[in-house]
Amino acid sequence: GDSVTQMEGPVTLSEEAFLTINCTYTATGYPSLFWYVQYPGEGLQLLLKATKADDKGSNKGFEATYRKETTSFHLEKGSVQVSDSAVYFCALSLLGGGTSYGKLTFGQGTILTVHP
Amino acid sequence: GAGVSQSPRYKVAKRGQDVALRCDPISGHVSLFWYQQALGQGPEFLTYFQNEAQLDKSGLPSDRFFAERPEGSVSTLKIQRTQQEDSAVYLCASRTGTGGYNEQFFGPGTRLTVL
Repeated sequence: GDSVTQMEGPVTLSEEAFLTINCTYTATGYPSLFWYVQYPGEGLQLLLKATKADDKGSNKGFEATYRKETTSFHLEKGSVQVSDSAVYFCALSLLGGGTSYGKLTFGQGTILTVHP
Repeated sequence: GAGVSQSPRYKVAKRGQDVALRCDPISGHVSLFWYQQALGQGPEFLTYFQNEAQLDKSGLPSDRFFAERPEGSVSTLKIQRTQQEDSAVYLCASRTGTGGYNEQFFGPGTRLTVL
């Protein structure tokens, strides 16, 4: 079945450090890929997405590139801030139609803590 | 506009009790999903509605779980005879269309604790 694997966490960084959170996937079809973020006390929010190979999603200084050859969608940010402390989830969705209906398959989440 | 809302936010139930969790999606959203998130894990799919039709219930863990969306708007997830393993956060999400590339908007979740 479809699955998403994220790097084991948690991740602790100092402010302005470089961030990478690894994500790889297995899918029977051609998925869309997402990063969702969950800030403390809040619900899941879409951070960025990519719908086809070599697409780069970006938002709030975060980037991730859809790599079909390595089945990866690693999240990066050049300089993290304390306010980036949250739980980050990588997810995939197969295109609507058939029996997938675009449901999301999530990784286990990575806790990021950024210290001043 | 208003986002996805869920109620109650917290629910404590004794083992064997029935519970009902409510989801109010974003107005006009065709698609509605329920997910279950165990502590320290990512959300896992439970069921999907397109308008009032429940098109996929393959993720429901047992026949004690039942979901409905009778008028294609508000949805209720019901768990009968709750067990301790049902303790989790239950998330509702809605989406404007049926395409898997469209964003799902999540509610804040209902944290269910079964004692």
